Amino acid sequence: DVKVTQSSRYLVKRTGEKVFLECVQDMDHENMFWYRQDPGLGLRLIYFSYDVKMKEKGDIPEGYSVSREKKERFSLILESASTNQTSMYLCASSRPLGGFGQPQHFGDGTRLSIL
Amino acid sequence: RKEVEQDPGPFNVPEGATVAFNCTYSNSASQSFFWYRQDCRKEPKLLMSVYSSGNEDGRFTAQLNRASQYISLLIRDSKLSDSATYLCVVPSGGSYIPTFGRGTSLIVHP
Repeated sequence: DVKVTQSSRYLVKRTGEKVFLECVQDMDHENMFWYRQDPGLGLRLIYFSYDVKMKEKGDIPEGYSVSREKKERFSLILESASTNQTSMYLCASSRPLGGFGQPQHFGDGTRLSIL
Repeated sequence: RKEVEQDPGPFNVPEGATVAFNCTYSNSASQSFFWYRQDCRKEPKLLMSVYSSGNEDGRFTAQLNRASQYISLLIRDSKLSDSATYLCVVPSGGSYIPTFGRGTSLIVHP
């Protein structure tokens, strides 16, 4: 079974802090994704990566950056946390896209609160 | 038109009922589709993949209508444990980035 592990289930930070959310997958997947999920808005794609050191902006990249130095690890960075970034953050991985698309496997999620 | 649309519900049905959800999509080039199940405060989990006209897995049947650009999920003999939000996913655009619908909430009651 694919295992996607997010570093924290719950996290509380203060406004203005730099916040790191880590995600590791163990299935050698090329693609990794970061989403946030808010009530009534569904899952919104922040960034994704299709290879080491490669990244693409999703629908809502503002206020976030990412890092992928190793294939198995994809980090989401909140440069200066703000209260409107309080949300559930979900990491996912998949085999290469293209052709028919591929299903994603999700981590347990991180509930981030910015005070 | 939104890329992937779902009726948010909730669909409130008794145990044993048959219930169906639809999901409409705008990208006619999409070739594959997915249904995920998400329990409250949990991560989405893959329920079914649909690569051709449809797929069946036990009590669950997914069907694809390319002409009208929608996929459906049929659940027969509903169980209390089927209560969840069901997310439709359609790879979109030239790079087939997954696009999620906002989900349909199902509540199965005794």
